Amino acid sequence: GQQVMQIPQYQHVQEGEDFTTYCNSSTTLSNIQWYKQRPGGHPVFLIQLVKSGEVKKQKRLTFQFGEAKKNSSLHITATQTTDVGTYFCAGRRSGGYNKLIFGAGTRLAVHP
Amino acid sequence: NAGVTQTPKFQVLKTGQSMTLQCAQDMNHNSMYWYRQDPGMGLRLIYYSASEGTTDKGEVPNGYNVSRLNKREFSLRLESAAPSQTSVYFCASSDATGAGELFFGEGSRLTVL
Repeated sequence: GQQVMQIPQYQHVQEGEDFTTYCNSSTTLSNIQWYKQRPGGHPVFLIQLVKSGEVKKQKRLTFQFGEAKKNSSLHITATQTTDVGTYFCAGRRSGGYNKLIFGAGTRLAVHP
Repeated sequence: NAGVTQTPKFQVLKTGQSMTLQCAQDMNHNSMYWYRQDPGMGLRLIYYSASEGTTDKGEVPNGYNVSRLNKREFSLRLESAAPSQTSVYFCASSDATGAGELFFGEGSRLTVL
């Protein structure tokens, strides 16, 4: 079945450092979504990427979708303590109705 | 406008007991989902309902049943709870069948002793 792998599992950074999490799928995706979950909270949608090679920015966050539509990344520039949480990618296969399959997530800790 | 509401928020069960997790959304969404979240394993799909009147198995359906009661409500039932079902359960909805962002409830923390 479809699998979505996400690395790293855990990352510590000093406030002001950059952070990147990577997502890889075993199959070609129709789209990929990114979610953020604060400690003790629920996942909240950040963005969806649909096109091959797409790059989208939200302030300090940059999201990329690979050319082959099998991988994606989230890069945070100059992390802040408010960035703490777990970041999940979630991919949907092409064709018909397909469920969103989540990666295991990357937990980000930011030290002031 | 509450979004996605789950009840109960916390529950402790003994092995073999049954219970139902309730979920309701007020966004007129077609699709609804039940996920479980375990440490280091992300969110795994248990069951989903692409539209009112339909339900389908996800990645980890064993030990669970669901009911799409109407467009608003989607319940998850554990007939005979097992310790392996100790988890945090999230209900979610989306407005487009097979597409669109998911809106999550606040979660239900279940412990099975």
